[in-house]
Amino acid sequence: GEDVEQSLFLSVREGDSSVINCTYTDSSSTYLYWYKQEPGAGLQLLTYIFSNMDMKQDQRLTVLLNKKDKHLSLRIADTQTGDSAIYFCAEIHGNKLVFGAGTILRVKS
Amino acid sequence: EAQVTQNPRYLITVTGKKLTVTCSQNMNHEYMSWYRQDPGLGLRQIYYSMNVEVTDKGDVPEGYKVSRKEKRNFPLILESPSPNQTSLYFCASSSLTGGVDGYTFGSGTRLTVV
Repeated sequence: GEDVEQSLFLSVREGDSSVINCTYTDSSSTYLYWYKQEPGAGLQLLTYIFSNMDMKQDQRLTVLLNKKDKHLSLRIADTQTGDSAIYFCAEIHGNKLVFGAGTILRVKS
Repeated sequence: EAQVTQNPRYLITVTGKKLTVTCSQNMNHEYMSWYRQDPGLGLRQIYYSMNVEVTDKGDVPEGYKVSRKEKRNFPLILESPSPNQTSLYFCASSSLTGGVDGYTFGSGTRLTVV
């Protein structure tokens, strides 16, 4: 199968860390991605991780990859109200990006 | 500016009236794809194209057609739209099937079929 699963909703307070989790199925995926979708907008590539990496850090974003468990997570440090959006993890499967259903992140001020 | 341009952004139409949603990219990408986004289902691929005159079905191709006569354009055609095609549609392009740049997405087309 080619399911990518995510929790549907996360609520955090401004300044706290957010952790969004994802599980995927294709162990041969070369790249795994995190996309952000703000209200009324398209999808914006946030970050990616190559399959031979365990961790990638990019400013406030930390991606952790556990290939054994096929688990991917996105940590946003010091979450701001501008981080409120839907976050999608995605893996390459054959000729397409396969997306999870998306996690709605709500940041309370 | 590198981008994927979709038109129109919003469209309301009636059942059975043929429509086309255009998609154009200015990055010389070989790969282009159409997705639809529905609540709780994420994005599902409709059709994709690896290059000019090369197209193939994605996961939910029924009721849709595409063409790739030029590298930059990849229109989505609904010959006889039905209410279950009411959705948010995204066009995307990539130089490879993924890579460090991932896919570049258009801003979306919200289609309502009544």
